[in-house]
Amino acid sequence: AQKVTQAQTEISVVEKEDVTLDCVYETRDTTYYLFWYKQPPSGELVFLIRRNSFDEQNEISGRYSWNFQKSTSSFNFTITASQVVDSAVYFCALSEAVGNTPLVFGKGTRLSVIA
Amino acid sequence: NAGVTQTPKFQVLKTGQSMTLQCAQDMNHNSMYWYRQDPGMGLRLIYYSASEGTTDKGEVPNGYNVSRLNKREFSLRLESAAPSQTSVYFCASSEWFLAGATNTGELFFGEGSRLTVL
Repeated sequence: AQKVTQAQTEISVVEKEDVTLDCVYETRDTTYYLFWYKQPPSGELVFLIRRNSFDEQNEISGRYSWNFQKSTSSFNFTITASQVVDSAVYFCALSEAVGNTPLVFGKGTRLSVIA
Repeated sequence: NAGVTQTPKFQVLKTGQSMTLQCAQDMNHNSMYWYRQDPGMGLRLIYYSASEGTTDKGEVPNGYNVSRLNKREFSLRLESAAPSQTSVYFCASSEWFLAGATNTGELFFGEGSRLTVL
């Protein structure tokens, strides 16, 4: 069965610090998909990224970067030079196989960026 | 462009009352989902519908029923509400995704429905 673990429940950083959110997953499938979502205080869920299991290249989007390592079953998310607007709950999620397997979410990490 | 619309946004029920959460999407997606979000528990899948005419249980289906009315609409019903069903409920939709396709397979979420059962 698939499982996603986000061991960090809450993280607090000072503005402009870098911060890494950890995500460890479990799956028996060789083909799977990993996602990150952001939930700001307003409550909506915002898609950030999808990563395919066969593509191990790391990805950078502005201040955001993702480090995918199959050897350790991790898909960590780093925010560089954090800003107050980054304060949110961040969820990592996993979907197994090609097709329509529902996403399984981790419990989330609440990030507070203090000015 | 509405995306995923769910109603109502807020509801207070007494134990034993019934209610239906409505969800509609205008993106012509095949799949729809109902998740609940509780503090410290993340998002847990209640039911999903991979395509029109099919529904399947998720991780926490007890106490709920669903109906995939057509391709656009997917409703969640609480027949006899209990305080343990106090939660924020999210409806979502997605298109099937395939390796190599440009579709990202992401879930598109509604704004959520906050339900309190007294």
